[in-house]
Amino acid sequence: NAGVTQTPKFRILKIGQSMTLQCTQDMNHNYMYWYRQDPGMGLKLIYYSVGAGITDKGEVPNGYNVSRSTTEDFPLRLELAAPSQTSVYFCASSYPVKKEANVLTFGAGSRLTVL
Amino acid sequence: AQSVSQHNHHVILSEAASLELGCNYSYGGTVNLFWYVQYPGQHLQLLLKYFSGDPLVKGIKGFEAEFIKSKFSFNLRKPSVQWSDTAEYFCAVNSGGSNYKLTFGKGTLLTVNP
Repeated sequence: NAGVTQTPKFRILKIGQSMTLQCTQDMNHNYMYWYRQDPGMGLKLIYYSVGAGITDKGEVPNGYNVSRSTTEDFPLRLELAAPSQTSVYFCASSYPVKKEANVLTFGAGSRLTVL
Repeated sequence: AQSVSQHNHHVILSEAASLELGCNYSYGGTVNLFWYVQYPGQHLQLLLKYFSGDPLVKGIKGFEAEFIKSKFSFNLRKPSVQWSDTAEYFCAVNSGGSNYKLTFGKGTLLTVNP
């Protein structure tokens, strides 16, 4: 099993550009999440999904969009990139049994720099 | 809103020293509690979890944590650290119910000197 796979690992964007961070998992997890990690700030939830076709906002959704057309994939779209979006982005998934839904499997992260 | 406080931003220890990392949360009801660890260059991974029952839980690599409900705390401990424990440690809390979103603390960077 590959687990949670994120691409790209690194990306530099110019202000105003758009891009999509890809995330796919092969564990048949219903729940998927996008977090951003900033130094000294921990992880902040951007968006999450409890199944195909269902997404919801987390703590810091502004400037981002998501879609969930399949169980496996949960891409994160950045529209009009801003320097404040410079961060490390983590995708995660979990198994949809009530308490085990909190046991997250993380991807390796995508480091994004906006200049 | 739920909040999680980790008191130490950076802890530096020598090998064989004992470790205790503090974690406090704000929610007063039923909680699920976690410690995740991020070793240099690796994925975040689960260290240990508490759902219910014995408040002293054991995780991987000799780590343990104690849930003290009256103090809203879930401190992480290890009696004797190793150089390989150098990592960033995150406490996380979920307030139960149908909300499966975790709230993470800001993390504690542990450096263990050989």
